[in-house]
Amino acid sequence: AQKVTQAQTEISVVEKEDVTLDCVYETRDTTYYLFWYKQPPSGELVFLIRRNSFDEQNEISGRYSWNFQKSTSSFNFTITASQVVDSAVYFCALSEGGSARQLTFGSGTQLTVLP
Amino acid sequence: GAGVSQSPSNKVTEKGKDVELRCDPISGHTALYWYRQSLGQGLEFLIYFQGNSAPDKSGLPSDRFSAERTGGSVSTLTIQRTQQEDSAVYLCASSLGQPNTGELFFGEGSRLTVL
Repeated sequence: AQKVTQAQTEISVVEKEDVTLDCVYETRDTTYYLFWYKQPPSGELVFLIRRNSFDEQNEISGRYSWNFQKSTSSFNFTITASQVVDSAVYFCALSEGGSARQLTFGSGTQLTVLP
Repeated sequence: GAGVSQSPSNKVTEKGKDVELRCDPISGHTALYWYRQSLGQGLEFLIYFQGNSAPDKSGLPSDRFSAERTGGSVSTLTIQRTQQEDSAVYLCASSLGQPNTGELFFGEGSRLTVL
């Protein structure tokens, strides 16, 4: 069975600090997708990134970067120079198989960025 | 609007009553999902519709829950004989569907409170 663990329930940082959100997953499939979603206070989940199991290349998008390591079953998310607007709940998710039709979400990490 | 629209945004009902939650997906999106977000269970997959295919109902927690999607667009999630444990935020999402990249566009959810 698939499982996603986000051990950090809450993180608080001061603006401009870097912060890394951890995600560890479990799956028996060799083909799977990993995702990060952001849920701001408005409640609407916003897609951030998708990564398939055959692509371990790290990705950077502006202040966001993702580190995918199959050896440790981790897909960590780093925000560089955090801003108050980054405050949200961040969810890591996993979908098994070749079609991302059913996502298993982690419990989420509440990130608070203080001014 | 251009996003996923859900109604009602808030619903308070008494135990034993039936409720209907509505989702209007993004125009052109063939895939539609329902998820449930609750304090105790996190984000749980409920049901997935893709075009005219039979829906994936594997996440529905009991036979009190049902969903339909009419005309490949609007979807209604129905909960019969509501119980207090049904209290949660019900999130609808849509995506282009094929290929299913897992980039889901979520609505802001319908918060259900069962007294």
